[in-house]
Amino acid sequence: DAGVIQSPRHEVTEMGQEVTLRCKPISGHNSLFWYRQTMMRGLELLIYFNNNVPIDDSGMPEDRFSAKMPNASFSTLKIQPSEPRDSAVYFCASTLGLAGVAGELFFGEGSRLTVL
Amino acid sequence: GENVEQHPSTLSVQEGDSAVIKCTYSDSASNYFPWYKQELGKRPQLIIDIRSNVGEKKDQRIAVTLNKTAKHFSLHITETQPEDSAVYFCAASMSGTASKLTFGTGTRLQVTL
Repeated sequence: DAGVIQSPRHEVTEMGQEVTLRCKPISGHNSLFWYRQTMMRGLELLIYFNNNVPIDDSGMPEDRFSAKMPNASFSTLKIQPSEPRDSAVYFCASTLGLAGVAGELFFGEGSRLTVL
Repeated sequence: GENVEQHPSTLSVQEGDSAVIKCTYSDSASNYFPWYKQELGKRPQLIIDIRSNVGEKKDQRIAVTLNKTAKHFSLHITETQPEDSAVYFCAASMSGTASKLTFGTGTRLQVTL
């Protein structure tokens, strides 16, 4: 398996533009997570899905952020409109959640977003 | 929700010495405690984990200890090598929430020659 695949790897955009980050989890994994990493705040969980259903989006900073998982092999994180403070590395991760038992998270390479 | 505190934020050791990183968590229902290593510009990767039914686990030069009473767990790296230089994150998972991990703020470990 190629692991968790994220795109784009790097994105530079101007304030006010829409940003869409994409993620393909590992085949067979049933839980998917979006994390944001900054120097100031570390690794923050934004939202996670179980069997394509959003379970907890309490970490989504504001209404400008939205996430979808239309099927088991694809998820998007959208920021509209983007702001400079959204600049960060966004990681997608997946895991094989068995009966609610926690296990290893497999992270993608991350998408480095810079909003000018 | 769960809160995980991690210390120290930076740690510098000489090659061959041991390194210890400590974490505390707030929710007594947490039962899964992994450690992730993140090299510069790379993704976090699991290096070792421990569940609440054991007090210690070892894997070669790495060991984790867990004290559920004190809600405290630690990472021990012995005989450190330059390739151990990275940021290490502890995390805790609340029971019944699958892998919804709360991460500590990270420890930057520098192993000097």
